[in-house]
Amino acid sequence: GIQVEQSPPDLILQEGANSTLRCNFSDSVNNLQWFHQNPWGQLINLFYIPSGTKQNGRLSATTVATERYSLLYISSSQTTDSGVYFCAAPRLGSNDYKLSFGAGTTVTVRA
Amino acid sequence: EAQVTQNPRYLITVTGKKLTVTCSQNMNHEYMSWYRQDPGLGLRQIYYSMNVEVTDKGDVPEGYKVSRKEKRNFPLILESPSPNQTSLYFCASSLGQHRNTEAFFGQGTRLTVV
Repeated sequence: GIQVEQSPPDLILQEGANSTLRCNFSDSVNNLQWFHQNPWGQLINLFYIPSGTKQNGRLSATTVATERYSLLYISSSQTTDSGVYFCAAPRLGSNDYKLSFGAGTTVTVRA
Repeated sequence: EAQVTQNPRYLITVTGKKLTVTCSQNMNHEYMSWYRQDPGLGLRQIYYSMNVEVTDKGDVPEGYKVSRKEKRNFPLILESPSPNQTSLYFCASSLGQHRNTEAFFGQGTRLTVV
């Protein structure tokens, strides 16, 4: 698999603040996904974003495949945004679609 | 509703007692896989299946078995569970075509082996 690095590892926000999470990957990828793992452990799909920019409510994501990175933006953060955010990607050309995950960014939003 | 369903959500068992974690998807996906998540080690793939009757090992297959007799189901079998298999397990599925490999995950199964 490929190497996926996420930064920062931890993020503490005051409710209403904006933030940017970053994901760097070591090789060309077929696609890139962002997930939110909630306090109950469930992995929630946020974005499937091989390239370009997508928005979903207060969240948006941008992937620049040629430079091997993706960004997740959280605007006007709420306490329900707390949890761990993962990016993951399979290696371009791989036949098994195995996702390589980053270590995650733990986000804590305080009221 | 399109979803991946795992059962059970929580399981406590004893060493050596065979168990099966079921996984079912209703999206007609070809590709299915199992991951385990452990603190400090992240998510690692256990087994995957490209289609019915086609399965292969992932990164950490030891101690696990799988089968894919039907397209929608991909059970994970622990023949003789040991405490080092205590983990959070996820089943995932995707269409399996290069143009769209978006993965969808089940709710997770928290397994404790004592």
